[in-house]
Amino acid sequence: DIQLTQSPSFLSASVGDRVTITCRASQGISSYLAWYQQKPGKAPKLLIYAASTLQSGVPSRFSGSGSGTEFTLTISSLQPEDFATYYCQQLNSYLPTFGQGTRLEIK
Amino acid sequence: EVQLVESGGGLVQPGGSLRLSCAASGFTFSSYSMNWVRQAPGKGLEWVSYISSSSSTIYYADSVKGRFTISRDNAKNSLYLQMNSLRDEDTAVYYCARDIDRSVWDYWGQGTLVTVSS
Repeated sequence: DIQLTQSPSFLSASVGDRVTITCRASQGISSYLAWYQQKPGKAPKLLIYAASTLQSGVPSRFSGSGSGTEFTLTISSLQPEDFATYYCQQLNSYLPTFGQGTRLEIK
Repeated sequence: EVQLVESGGGLVQPGGSLRLSCAASGFTFSSYSMNWVRQAPGKGLEWVSYISSSSSTIYYADSVKGRFTISRDNAKNSLYLQMNSLRDEDTAVYYCARDIDRSVWDYWGQGTLVTVSS
């Protein structure tokens, strides 16, 4: 199985900050990577697919980059509604896997 | 509006069985592959199973292979997960998710909670 490691696992930041979350794959996955946002008690919400394509309706302050084994999710200016847990997901193999999550909290 | 609504969760004893359903609306269900994903309390996301639009291709995570069976009824716009020989570690919220070309999971249901406990 392809393992995904997110860093950091926990992030404390303030409204207006620029934050970056990294996702590293145990082997190359081309651009078959997605990012999700999940709030407590809610289903995951797709933010980015194909490593850098913004899902329809997602604010442009979210962006994704990378290919191969290293990927990043950047939020350019944190808003109060962005405090949540973020997961990366690889879809390169027929056994998709998720990173362990990054919990983003208000400083 | 695309909607996915899971049902069928509940409390079951270890070794028992449960059948989850996912009712789809707002899109042509028969044109899309589907997935089940679960999340144990306080934990991360774990993919469980995949089924293609015509049911011709099915995959399972190793953790459920031989115990869970995914199926669909395109005439009823419904996805199912038959769960047998349930274990404590199967306790989780189970989500269904729409799959586009095995590269975009754009819509998810709200989830249904399965609790395996004696």
